[in-house]
Amino acid sequence: DAGITQSPRYKITETGRQVTLMCHQTWSHSYMFWYRQDLGHGLRLIYYSAAADITDKGEVPDGYVVSRSKTENFPLTLESATRSQTSVYFCASSPRRLNEKLFFGSGTQLSVL
Amino acid sequence: AQSVTQPDIHITVSEGASLELRCNYSYGATPYLFWYVQSPGQGLQLLLKYFSGDTLVQGIKGFEAEFKRSQSSFNLRKPSVHWSDAAEYFCAVGQGEGSQGNLIFGKGTKLSVKP
Repeated sequence: DAGITQSPRYKITETGRQVTLMCHQTWSHSYMFWYRQDLGHGLRLIYYSAAADITDKGEVPDGYVVSRSKTENFPLTLESATRSQTSVYFCASSPRRLNEKLFFGSGTQLSVL
Repeated sequence: AQSVTQPDIHITVSEGASLELRCNYSYGATPYLFWYVQSPGQGLQLLLKYFSGDTLVQGIKGFEAEFKRSQSSFNLRKPSVHWSDAAEYFCAVGQGEGSQGNLIFGKGTKLSVKP
């Protein structure tokens, strides 16, 4: 039972580079989410998806792009990384409505130098 | 718009002592309420949730929480803390039945446990 996996676990990149964070879930959950976690801000929703090919913005979407061509994958791309995007990124999934229980991955710690 | 407040950023308790973590929410109707726990270097794990019914809910690891509508609170409690409970705890609120809104998380309370 693999659940929800994120890769890479750690990533260091430079300002202006494109970075893609991967998220894969094995449960066939309809809903998937990307959060960023920063000290003093808790978790903030970046983007979410209700199904394949359906995505929508969350609280802090600027500078990020998502896609969901397959139900099980939900990659997050930083098109031109900035230092303010240094954070820990969590992917999550949920089987039904948006506001039910979330299952979280272990996170990707991203540093933008 | 709904919001969640966790007034305590950091709490330290002695092992074996009781614990109460506070959570206040702002929402007009009956919300869905959750407590999640995050161990260092890990993702969040659901401790317990309240959707309706009995206002005292039991969760995993010996935790419980009580929904108090009059106080807009959903405080997390544990009668006797173990060293392994040291972690960060997040309260979250959803908009309830039929809503398509997302969960809103509080900023978290970090729990330290003294031996």
